[in-house]
Amino acid sequence: GNSVTQMEGPVTLSEEAFLTINCTYTATGYPSLFWYVQYPGEGLQLLLKATKADDKGSNKGFEATYRKETTSFHLEKGSVQVSDSAVYFCALSDPRDDKIIFGKGTRLHILP
Amino acid sequence: EPEVTQTPSHQVTQMGQEVILRCVPISNHLYFYWYRQILGQKVEFLVSFYNNEISEKSEIFDDQFSVERPDGSNFTLKIRSTKLEDSAMYFCASSQGLARETQYFGPGTRLLVL
Repeated sequence: GNSVTQMEGPVTLSEEAFLTINCTYTATGYPSLFWYVQYPGEGLQLLLKATKADDKGSNKGFEATYRKETTSFHLEKGSVQVSDSAVYFCALSDPRDDKIIFGKGTRLHILP
Repeated sequence: EPEVTQTPSHQVTQMGQEVILRCVPISNHLYFYWYRQILGQKVEFLVSFYNNEISEKSEIFDDQFSVERPDGSNFTLKIRSTKLEDSAMYFCASSQGLARETQYFGPGTRLLVL
């Protein structure tokens, strides 16, 4: 079945550091890929998405490119801020069914 | 910007009691979902709902669970007889369509079963 694997956390970085959170997926079809973010005490917010191979999703300085050849959707940001501290979830949806499948989440701590 | 809302934000209940979690999806959305996140674990799909009926459900969504759209705005999840293992954060989501449409999530209801 479909699944998402993302790097274990927590990830701790200093402000202005470069961020990569790795995500790979397994899917039988052609899924859409997402990154959701959960700030402390809040719900899930869509950060960015890509719906087909080679699409790049971007938002708030974060980027991720849908790589079909490596089945990956790694999240990157060039210069993180303390306010980026949150849990980041990689996820996919298969066009043949209703649900979103989430990875386990990666907790990110940014130190000032 | 329109958003999904959920009430209550927190609920504490005794094992065996019934709970109803409420959600107001985004107004022009047609598809509604419930997910849950047990503390420290993955967010898991429970059920999707369209046109006043369940369109898909997971193995978690057994006979203890039911969903309803009692009026034009609310979408509810009922747990008939709560168990300790039902303690989790429950998220409601909605989307305009299926497949590649984005699902928008509410802030969640934290349920604690004692």
